[in-house]
Amino acid sequence: EVQLLESGGGLVQPGGSLRLSCAASGFTFSTYAMNWVRQAPGKGLQWVSAISGSGDSTYYADSVKGRFTISRDNSRNTLYLQMNSLRAEDTAVYYCAKGKELELRGVFDPWGQGTLVTVSS
Amino acid sequence: DIVMTQSPDSLAVSLGERATINCKSSQSVLYSSDNKNYLTWYQQKPGQPPKLLIYWASTRESGVPDRFSGSGSGTDFTLTISSLQAEDVAVYYCQQFYTTPQTFGQGTKVEIK
Repeated sequence: EVQLLESGGGLVQPGGSLRLSCAASGFTFSTYAMNWVRQAPGKGLQWVSAISGSGDSTYYADSVKGRFTISRDNSRNTLYLQMNSLRAEDTAVYYCAKGKELELRGVFDPWGQGTLVTVSS
Repeated sequence: DIVMTQSPDSLAVSLGERATINCKSSQSVLYSSDNKNYLTWYQQKPGQPPKLLIYWASTRESGVPDRFSGSGSGTDFTLTISSLQAEDVAVYYCQQFYTTPQTFGQGTKVEIK
Protein backbone atom coordinates (compact mmCIF):
# COMPACT_ATOMS: atom_id res chain seq x y z
CA GLU A 1 0.00 0.00 0.00
CA VAL A 2 1.31 3.43 -0.94
CA GLN A 3 1.73 5.71 2.07
CA LEU A 4 2.83 9.33 2.28
CA LEU A 5 3.46 10.94 5.66
CA GLU A 6 4.17 14.66 5.89
CA SER A 7 5.87 16.36 8.83
CA GLY A 8 7.54 19.63 9.71
CA GLY A 9 4.60 22.00 9.76
CA GLY A 10 4.02 24.51 12.54
CA LEU A 11 3.80 28.17 13.50
CA VAL A 12 6.42 30.49 12.04
CA GLN A 13 6.79 34.25 11.96
CA PRO A 14 6.61 36.20 8.70
CA GLY A 15 10.00 36.12 7.01
CA GLY A 16 10.90 32.86 8.70
CA SER A 17 11.76 29.46 7.30
CA LEU A 18 10.44 25.93 7.60
CA ARG A 19 11.32 22.59 6.02
CA LEU A 20 8.61 20.07 5.27
CA SER A 21 9.29 16.37 4.79
CA CYS A 22 7.24 13.60 3.22
CA ALA A 23 8.20 10.01 3.97
CA ALA A 24 7.07 7.63 1.23
CA SER A 25 6.57 3.87 1.31
CA GLY A 26 4.90 1.12 -0.67
CA PHE A 27 6.29 2.00 -4.10
CA THR A 28 9.58 2.50 -5.93
CA PHE A 29 10.06 6.11 -4.89
CA SER A 30 12.74 7.05 -7.42
CA THR A 31 10.47 6.09 -10.32
CA TYR A 32 7.78 8.71 -9.73
CA ALA A 33 7.48 12.46 -9.86
CA MET A 34 6.36 14.00 -6.58
CA ASN A 35 4.44 17.15 -5.80
CA TRP A 36 3.48 19.59 -3.09
CA VAL A 37 -0.05 20.97 -3.16
CA ARG A 38 -1.44 23.39 -0.59
CA GLN A 39 -4.86 24.36 0.69
CA ALA A 40 -5.41 27.57 2.63
CA PRO A 41 -7.97 27.28 5.45
CA GLY A 42 -11.45 26.92 3.95
CA LYS A 43 -10.12 27.43 0.43
CA GLY A 44 -9.36 25.40 -2.68
CA LEU A 45 -6.30 23.54 -3.89
CA GLN A 46 -3.15 25.15 -5.26
CA TRP A 47 -0.26 23.23 -6.83
CA VAL A 48 3.02 24.47 -5.36
CA SER A 49 5.92 22.46 -6.77
CA ALA A 50 6.96 19.25 -8.52
CA ILE A 51 10.14 17.24 -8.91
CA SER A 52 11.02 14.46 -11.33
CA GLY A 53 11.85 10.96 -10.13
CA SER A 54 15.59 11.50 -10.50
CA GLY A 55 15.42 14.95 -8.94
CA ASP A 56 16.98 16.53 -12.03
CA SER A 57 13.94 18.60 -12.93
CA THR A 58 11.99 20.91 -10.64
CA TYR A 59 8.96 23.11 -11.18
CA TYR A 60 7.36 25.88 -9.12
CA ALA A 61 4.26 28.00 -8.97
CA ASP A 62 5.05 31.67 -9.61
CA SER A 63 3.83 32.53 -6.10
CA VAL A 64 6.65 30.54 -4.47
CA LYS A 65 9.42 30.71 -7.06
CA GLY A 66 12.65 31.97 -5.53
CA ARG A 67 11.42 31.33 -1.98
CA PHE A 68 10.66 27.58 -1.91
CA THR A 69 12.95 24.72 -2.92
CA ILE A 70 11.77 21.18 -3.61
CA SER A 71 14.18 18.28 -3.29
CA ARG A 72 14.22 14.55 -2.70
CA ASP A 73 16.47 11.90 -1.22
CA ASN A 74 15.78 8.70 -3.10
CA SER A 75 17.99 6.70 -0.74
CA ARG A 76 15.69 7.71 2.13
CA ASN A 77 12.41 7.68 0.14
CA THR A 78 11.79 11.23 1.32
CA LEU A 79 10.53 14.39 -0.34
CA TYR A 80 11.30 17.87 1.03
CA LEU A 81 10.07 21.41 0.69
CA GLN A 82 12.34 24.15 2.03
CA MET A 83 10.27 27.28 2.56
CA ASN A 84 12.03 30.61 3.11
CA SER A 85 10.80 34.20 3.39
CA LEU A 86 7.40 32.94 4.49
CA ARG A 87 4.37 35.21 4.18
CA ALA A 88 0.95 35.18 5.79
CA GLU A 89 -0.53 34.03 2.47
CA ASP A 90 1.57 30.85 2.65
CA THR A 91 -0.59 29.68 5.57
CA ALA A 92 -2.11 26.39 4.45
CA VAL A 93 -2.21 22.65 4.80
CA TYR A 94 0.61 21.32 2.62
CA TYR A 95 -0.01 17.96 0.97
CA CYS A 96 2.56 15.67 -0.52
CA ALA A 97 1.18 13.89 -3.59
CA LYS A 98 2.61 11.20 -5.83
CA GLY A 99 2.37 11.62 -9.58
CA LYS A 100 1.00 8.73 -11.56
CA GLU A 101 3.08 7.05 -14.24
CA LEU A 102 4.43 8.51 -17.46
CA GLU A 103 2.10 10.97 -19.19
CA LEU A 104 -0.11 10.92 -16.09
CA ARG A 105 2.62 12.39 -13.87
CA GLY A 106 0.52 15.54 -13.49
CA VAL A 107 -2.25 13.48 -11.89
CA PHE A 108 -1.92 13.29 -8.11
CA ASP A 109 -2.54 9.92 -6.49
CA PRO A 110 -2.42 9.34 -3.63
CA TRP A 111 -2.13 12.32 -1.31
CA GLY A 112 -0.72 12.40 2.19
CA GLN A 113 -2.77 13.59 5.17
CA GLY A 114 -1.12 17.01 5.06
CA THR A 115 0.80 19.21 7.48
CA LEU A 116 -0.39 22.64 8.59
CA VAL A 117 1.87 25.66 8.16
CA THR A 118 0.79 28.84 9.92
CA VAL A 119 2.63 32.08 9.22
CA SER A 120 1.78 34.65 11.85
CA SER A 121 3.40 37.01 14.31
CA ASP B 1 -1.98 29.83 -16.66
CA ILE B 2 -5.09 27.87 -17.58
CA VAL B 3 -8.05 29.02 -15.47
CA MET B 4 -10.50 26.31 -14.42
CA THR B 5 -14.03 27.43 -13.53
CA GLN B 6 -16.55 25.10 -11.93
CA SER B 7 -20.30 25.51 -11.66
CA PRO B 8 -22.22 25.57 -9.49
CA ASP B 9 -20.25 26.44 -6.35
CA SER B 10 -22.57 24.21 -4.38
CA LEU B 11 -25.57 21.99 -4.92
CA ALA B 12 -28.00 20.02 -2.79
CA VAL B 13 -29.37 16.78 -4.22
CA SER B 14 -31.76 14.22 -2.76
CA LEU B 15 -30.46 10.75 -2.01
CA GLY B 16 -30.66 8.58 -5.12
CA GLU B 17 -30.91 11.56 -7.47
CA ARG B 18 -28.39 12.74 -10.05
CA ALA B 19 -25.74 15.35 -9.31
CA THR B 20 -24.01 17.19 -12.14
CA ILE B 21 -20.93 19.38 -11.84
CA ASN B 22 -19.49 21.40 -14.69
CA CYS B 23 -15.91 22.47 -15.30
CA LYS B 24 -14.71 24.88 -17.97
CA SER B 25 -11.08 25.56 -18.89
CA SER B 26 -9.86 28.87 -20.30
CA GLN B 27 -8.13 26.99 -23.12
CA SER B 28 -8.40 23.53 -24.56
CA VAL B 29 -6.81 20.70 -22.57
CA LEU B 30 -7.17 18.26 -25.47
CA TYR B 31 -3.71 17.17 -26.61
CA SER B 32 -3.85 16.66 -30.36
CA SER B 33 -1.01 14.13 -30.57
CA ASP B 34 -2.84 11.53 -28.45
CA ASN B 35 -6.41 12.86 -28.60
CA LYS B 36 -6.66 12.78 -24.80
CA ASN B 37 -8.12 15.40 -22.50
CA TYR B 38 -5.69 16.21 -19.70
CA LEU B 39 -8.42 16.68 -17.10
CA THR B 40 -8.97 15.01 -13.73
CA TRP B 41 -11.61 15.02 -11.01
CA TYR B 42 -10.93 14.71 -7.27
CA GLN B 43 -13.22 14.21 -4.28
CA GLN B 44 -12.39 15.75 -0.91
CA LYS B 45 -14.41 14.72 2.11
CA PRO B 46 -14.32 16.86 5.28
CA GLY B 47 -11.05 16.52 7.15
CA GLN B 48 -9.49 14.30 4.47
CA PRO B 49 -7.03 14.81 1.62
CA PRO B 50 -8.34 14.78 -1.93
CA LYS B 51 -8.91 11.44 -3.63
CA LEU B 52 -8.52 10.80 -7.35
CA LEU B 53 -11.78 9.84 -9.05
CA ILE B 54 -11.29 10.27 -12.81
CA TYR B 55 -8.48 11.10 -15.23
CA TRP B 56 -8.32 11.59 -19.01
CA ALA B 57 -11.71 13.30 -18.38
CA SER B 58 -13.59 10.00 -18.36
CA THR B 59 -11.37 7.14 -17.09
CA ARG B 60 -12.47 6.03 -13.66
CA GLU B 61 -9.69 5.27 -11.18
CA SER B 62 -9.61 1.70 -9.91
CA GLY B 63 -12.03 1.19 -7.02
CA VAL B 64 -14.17 4.23 -7.77
CA PRO B 65 -17.89 3.33 -7.88
CA ASP B 66 -19.43 3.33 -11.33
CA ARG B 67 -22.05 5.88 -10.28
CA PHE B 68 -19.26 8.43 -10.89
CA SER B 69 -18.70 9.30 -14.54
CA GLY B 70 -16.86 12.00 -16.42
CA SER B 71 -17.50 13.42 -19.87
CA GLY B 72 -16.58 16.31 -22.12
CA SER B 73 -13.74 17.40 -24.36
CA GLY B 74 -11.70 20.46 -25.20
CA THR B 75 -12.79 23.11 -22.72
CA ASP B 76 -16.07 21.80 -21.26
CA PHE B 77 -16.34 18.88 -18.87
CA THR B 78 -18.88 17.30 -16.56
CA LEU B 79 -18.74 15.05 -13.52
CA THR B 80 -21.95 13.13 -12.92
CA ILE B 81 -22.96 11.18 -9.84
CA SER B 82 -25.83 9.09 -11.17
CA SER B 83 -27.45 8.20 -7.84
CA LEU B 84 -26.21 10.26 -4.90
CA GLN B 85 -25.29 8.34 -1.76
CA ALA B 86 -24.75 9.78 1.71
CA GLU B 87 -21.02 9.01 1.49
CA ASP B 88 -20.72 11.23 -1.61
CA VAL B 89 -21.07 14.42 0.45
CA ALA B 90 -17.82 16.20 -0.37
CA VAL B 91 -16.18 18.97 -2.34
CA TYR B 92 -15.30 18.03 -5.90
CA TYR B 93 -12.44 19.61 -7.84
CA CYS B 94 -11.48 19.47 -11.50
CA GLN B 95 -7.82 19.90 -12.44
CA GLN B 96 -5.98 20.28 -15.72
CA PHE B 97 -2.61 18.63 -16.21
CA TYR B 98 -2.19 19.79 -19.81
CA THR B 99 0.45 22.28 -18.77
CA THR B 100 2.43 23.46 -15.75
CA PRO B 101 1.26 24.97 -13.47
CA GLN B 102 -1.42 22.35 -13.04
CA THR B 103 -4.50 24.30 -11.98
CA PHE B 104 -7.67 23.42 -10.11
CA GLY B 105 -11.22 24.63 -10.24
CA GLN B 106 -12.51 26.42 -7.14
CA GLY B 107 -14.46 23.36 -6.02
CA THR B 108 -18.12 22.37 -5.89
CA LYS B 109 -19.68 21.39 -2.58
CA VAL B 110 -22.23 18.58 -2.83
CA GLU B 111 -24.75 18.18 -0.01
CA ILE B 112 -27.87 16.15 0.68
CA LYS B 113 -31.19 17.92 0.19
